[in-house]
Amino acid sequence: DADVTQTPRNRITKTGKRIMLECSQTKGHDRMYWYRQDPGLGLRLIYYSFDVKDINKGEISDGYSVSRQAQAKFSLSLESAIPNQTALYFCATMGRGSYEQYFGPGTRLTVT
Amino acid sequence: RKEVEQDPGPFNVPEGATVAFNCTYSNSASQSFFWYRQDCRKEPKLLMSVYSSGNEDGRFTAQLNRASQYISLLIRDSKLSDSATYLCVVNLAGGTSYGKLTFGQGTILTVHP
Repeated sequence: DADVTQTPRNRITKTGKRIMLECSQTKGHDRMYWYRQDPGLGLRLIYYSFDVKDINKGEISDGYSVSRQAQAKFSLSLESAIPNQTALYFCATMGRGSYEQYFGPGTRLTVT
Repeated sequence: RKEVEQDPGPFNVPEGATVAFNCTYSNSASQSFFWYRQDCRKEPKLLMSVYSSGNEDGRFTAQLNRASQYISLLIRDSKLSDSATYLCVVNLAGGTSYGKLTFGQGTILTVHP
């Protein structure tokens, strides 16, 4: 089984809808991250969390919110989806004392 | 100026070729450097860390030049399976920056028979 899972893997939604992307991990890592990837722009950090009570904005947090429900779960919400939020979204984890991030398989989101 | 810049390519090379990718970073306080590999429609995975003294892992060699704020990745004897996007990744030192990785936009490599 994968160490970092994301649901859903693909989602098509309409403008204005609320969407939640979920991430779960079995690695026991305290640090979790949400990125989006767009062609030509690489990975950009949306939010990150160093533990359940510590949540921080990344470089492109506008239009997004997160919830760290437990050490193993980190959800990303789009309160009112817009077409320019169409992208590939990755969740990642990292353990203490390490710089290696482990990524989930990604969620391909399309907002029409 | 982007914090981490890479030549996006694409690089198209024959099997057996040697290919080099370059990356520059803007923040001189950056302390940790990495190359990640991302296959098409897959998640990124750590390829190797980059140390000041340079380091090698099989056919892959990574180098760091702190004075020029420049990182490189050399792939020797390219294989078809090396075809992927290579991401240059940088982390600032300590404090609230610890664990925040900044990714370049990636360099696309295609190795052909």
